[in-house]
Amino acid sequence: DIQMTQSPSSLSASVGDRVTITCRASQNIDTTLNWYQQKPGRAPNLLIYAASSLQSGVPSRFSGSGSGTDFTLTISSLQPEDFGTYYCQQTYNLPRTFGQGTNLEI
Amino acid sequence: EVQLVQSGAEVKKAGESLKISCNVSGSTFTTYWLGWVRQMPGKGLEWMGLIFPSDSDTRYSPSFQGQVTISVDKSINTAYLQWSSLKASDTAIYYCARQYCINGVCPYDYWGQGTPVTVSS
Repeated sequence: DIQMTQSPSSLSASVGDRVTITCRASQNIDTTLNWYQQKPGRAPNLLIYAASSLQSGVPSRFSGSGSGTDFTLTISSLQPEDFGTYYCQQTYNLPRTFGQGTNLEI
Repeated sequence: EVQLVQSGAEVKKAGESLKISCNVSGSTFTTYWLGWVRQMPGKGLEWMGLIFPSDSDTRYSPSFQGQVTISVDKSINTAYLQWSSLKASDTAIYYCARQYCINGVCPYDYWGQGTPVTVSS
């Protein structure tokens, strides 16, 4: 199985901050990397797919980059509604593994 | 509009069987793979497996192989996740999600609302 490791596990930031979350794969996954946001009591929501493509309806302050084994999710100017837990997921092969999550507090 | 609507919360005892469902509307049911994801209390997302409704081709995570069964009923656009003998450690929220593949990448673009399952020992 491909292991996905996110850092940090949690972070606290302020409105307007630039926030970066990283995800590292245990082997090369090209750009088959997706990012999700999950709020308490809700299902995950797709933010970024193929490492850097913004899902329809997602604010442009979210962006993704990376390829191979190292990936980054950036929120350019943090908004109050951006709190929650962020997960990366690889879809290079089966099983489709997720990172352990990054809890973002504002 | 694509919607995945899951069955309601379940409270069961260890050793009992259970089958939860995920009904898909607004999307051609047989075109996309459907996945199941577990979230244990206070924990992260775990990928369990997926199924291609057109031919019921099913793939499981090694962690869940033999522990659960994924199936579909094409006549009613519904996917299922079932257990033959529940354990207390099966207590979790279970999500179904549509896998949409584009240019070799397969994000999960639509999710069900989740089915909470509580198993007492």
